[in-house]
Order: sequence, then C-alpha cells, then structure tokens
Amino acid sequence: EDQVTQSPEALRLQEGESSSLNCSYTVSGLRGLFWYRQDPGKGPEFLFTLYSAGEEKEKERLKATLTKKESFLHITAPKPEDSATYLCAVDSGNTPLVFGKGTRLSVIA
Amino acid sequence: EAQVTQNPRYLITVTGKKLTVTCSQNMNHEYMSWYRQDPGLGLRQIYYSMNVEVTDKGDVPEGYKVSRKEKRNFPLILESPSPNQTSLYFCASRESLNYGYTFGSGTRLTVV
Repeated sequence: EDQVTQSPEALRLQEGESSSLNCSYTVSGLRGLFWYRQDPGKGPEFLFTLYSAGEEKEKERLKATLTKKESFLHITAPKPEDSATYLCAVDSGNTPLVFGKGTRLSVIA
Repeated sequence: EAQVTQNPRYLITVTGKKLTVTCSQNMNHEYMSWYRQDPGLGLRQIYYSMNVEVTDKGDVPEGYKVSRKEKRNFPLILESPSPNQTSLYFCASRESLNYGYTFGSGTRLTVV
C-alpha cells in the first residue's frame, strides 16, 4: 500500500528564516511526486511535479528535491505570504494520488 | 480561464435527504477525482474517473455515487447523507497521470 508521511506537522518560522519540509514515501513504483500549497478553506494549488531521484524544481522562494525515499521542500527567506499548508502526494499508477496530511507553515513578520 | 467549478460552495442538509454536488472542468481533462478533507485525516479519495463512463472507487467510497456521462462533468451524489459525511469536498481534474491535479474551490457540507 502506498504511504506518504509529512513532517513536521506544523512549523513556525520568522520572516527570512530558511527551512525545509519533509515528505517520506513508500510506493511500489513512483510515477510522480507532487507538491501543493493550500490556503485555509481553499483548494490545493499545484506547485511542482518530480519524477525521478535527483530531480529539482524551483519557483520563487521554493525548491523541491527528490530522492528514492523522500522529497524536501526548501523555503528560502520566507515571507508571511508563504504561510499555508503544504501537501505532498505520490502517484504509483495503482490509484491516482495518495496525499500526506500536510505541514502547516506559519511565517511571522 | 482554466478551472474546475464546484457547486454549491456551502450546503447544510438533513440526514437522508439526497443531494448532488456538481463539478465541471473546462480544460478537456480525461482524469477527474473527488476527495474529502477532514481535520487530522488529510485528503482522502472518494472516487475517480479515467474517462467518460469509466469510474472506480477510491479509499472511502461508501455512501457516495458518481457518474461520468460527459468529459467535463463529474457529479458527486449522496443518496442518503449521514452526519459522518460532514466534510470539505474537493473535485479535481488533470490532463494525464504525469500532471498534477487542478482543484476546485471546495464544497463545505454539513449534515445534521
């Protein structure tokens, strides 16, 4: 059974304090790993897709990386508007997308 | 604008009264899915569809029905809602298995 575990559950950062969120996964065969951002009461917003170990993607202050067992979402010099819940999901081709429970990020000015 | 549209955004209903949540996408995507989101449990898939007339159960299908008669529409039907179906529901679509989902804005359902 495909499994996704995200850590930490919640993270509080000062503005400008860089950090990383972790997504550990267990799948029979990874087709893709997805990162989403979700604001309260809204639908998840797609950020990145990673397909193979060693791959990296960047968008503004966010950088996603992938190994054979986990993915990291690095946040460089975060701003208060980066506050959101970040979700990780994996696709093994068996059933479309299994989501982790997310990391709730708060960035304090 | 490319989007997934769900209606209604908010719904309060009584136990046993049949309801339908509509979902429509304007991106010609083949794949569509319904998720529910509950505190502490995250996003869980209810049903998904890989094409017109092709649907399959997700992780939590009990108490729900879906249909995919047209490519753009994927309604979620609760024949006899119960209080444990109170949740935030999301419809989503994607072009293929290599792409991420585009999510709708959500439907907050309360069953009393």
